[in-house]
Amino acid sequence: GENVEQHPSTLSVQEGDSAVIKCTYSDSASNYFPWYKQELGKRPQLIIDIRSNVGEKKDQRIAVTLNKTAKHFSLHITETQPEDSAVYFCAASDRGSQGNLIFGKGTKLSVKP
Amino acid sequence: EPEVTQTPSHQVTQMGQEVILRCVPISNHLYFYWYRQILGQKVEFLVSFYNNEISEKSEIFDDQFSVERPDGSNFTLKIRSTKLEDSAMYFCAQGGLAGELFFGEGSRLTVL
Repeated sequence: GENVEQHPSTLSVQEGDSAVIKCTYSDSASNYFPWYKQELGKRPQLIIDIRSNVGEKKDQRIAVTLNKTAKHFSLHITETQPEDSAVYFCAASDRGSQGNLIFGKGTKLSVKP
Repeated sequence: EPEVTQTPSHQVTQMGQEVILRCVPISNHLYFYWYRQILGQKVEFLVSFYNNEISEKSEIFDDQFSVERPDGSNFTLKIRSTKLEDSAMYFCAQGGLAGELFFGEGSRLTVL
C-alpha cells in the first residue's frame, strides 16, 4: 500500500522567511495530494491540494509542487506569519476523495515574530 | 467548506464499554469517512462508507468497529469493547464538490 514520508518533523523560521515542507510517496498510482493545517486541538483543515496532471499550484502565499517522476511533493509558504504556526500534514490518495488518504507524520512549523 | 457536525465533542469511558460516535453529514453526499488521530500522531484512515455500505477499510478497522447510517442521515462509528489504545480523536469526513476531503471538528475519546 501507499506510504508517505514527511520531512522535517519540526521547522522553525523567522517571521517573513519562507518555509518548505517535503513529502515522498511510494505508490505511483497516487494522483491526489492535499495539504492540511492543524492547529492545536482542532481539526485538520485543507489548505491546498494538487492532482497529478499538474506540476505546481499556488494560492496567495502558499504553493505546492509535484514531481511525479521522483514521487515527491512539497509545500512552500512565503512571507511566513506567526499565525502560520501549526502542524502541517501532507497526504496522498489514488482515488481522490473516493479513496482513503494516507497521511505523513506531520511537520510542526513555528514562526517566530 | 462543508460543515460536518460531530457528537459528542468529548467522551470518557471505561475500558470494555461500548462507544458510539455520531456525525451529521452534509446532505446529498454519498461518501463518508472516519479517521482517527492518536494524540501527537498522524491522521489515520479507518473506513469509507458509500451508498450505505463499507467501501474500504484499513487494518485498524477490526471487528470491534462498525459503521452505520441508522436513520438515513446520521452516520455512526461504534466501538464495541473499548481498549486503552482506542483513546484518540475520531474525525468524520466528507468530500467536497471538487473531490477534496473536509473533516468535522472531531470527537475526543478517552478510555480509562
